[in-house]
Amino acid sequence: ELKVEQNPLFLSMQEGKNYTIYCNYSTTSDRLYWYRQDPGKSLESLFVLLSNGAVKQEGRLMASLDTKARLSTLHITAAVHDLSATYFCAVSFGNEKLTFGTGTRLTIIP
Amino acid sequence: KAGVTQTPRYLIKTRGQQVTLSCSPISGHRSVSWYQQTPGQGLQFLFEYFSETQRNKGNFPGRFSGRQFSNSRSEMNVSTLELGDSALYLCASSPDRGLLSYEQYFGPGTRLTVT
Repeated sequence: ELKVEQNPLFLSMQEGKNYTIYCNYSTTSDRLYWYRQDPGKSLESLFVLLSNGAVKQEGRLMASLDTKARLSTLHITAAVHDLSATYFCAVSFGNEKLTFGTGTRLTIIP
Repeated sequence: KAGVTQTPRYLIKTRGQQVTLSCSPISGHRSVSWYQQTPGQGLQFLFEYFSETQRNKGNFPGRFSGRQFSNSRSEMNVSTLELGDSALYLCASSPDRGLLSYEQYFGPGTRLTVT
């Protein structure tokens, strides 16, 4: 059974700092997703990573995928308050369901 | 292009009752998936429908069921509600199930409270 672990679960960081969220998964996957969720809201798609070595960037967020290590990272550069949210990674293989990580609750402190 | 819509947005039910939630996917999308989100269990997959057929099913009891109509709209039903069914129910649609187009777009969710 595919398992997805994220760490840290909670992250409090100061504005302007850099940090990385890690997502490990247990079995072969051919797609990895990153989502953002604001309190009481739905999931907003950030990135879809399809191949080993894939790197995608949008603003202050950059996601990468290492399929050999079964690891994805979401790097935050020079954090700003608007990035405060819960971030989820999710993986799937073939036409199977999405399996989500536990989520990382990110709080940016001014 | 309109996004995924879910109705109702909020719902309060009593234990033992049943409930039906509705999801309208993005126009042209044929796959609809349902997820349950709770603080304790996180995001869990319920089921997926594609062209009116259930293609995947998560580990939920038979009280949870769903269906998809010919226009791709989907409903999920929960019978004999329990307190633990209180959750945010999210619906997601995707264009098809091919490798390069399996991005899922999530609706706003239905917040179900069971008292």
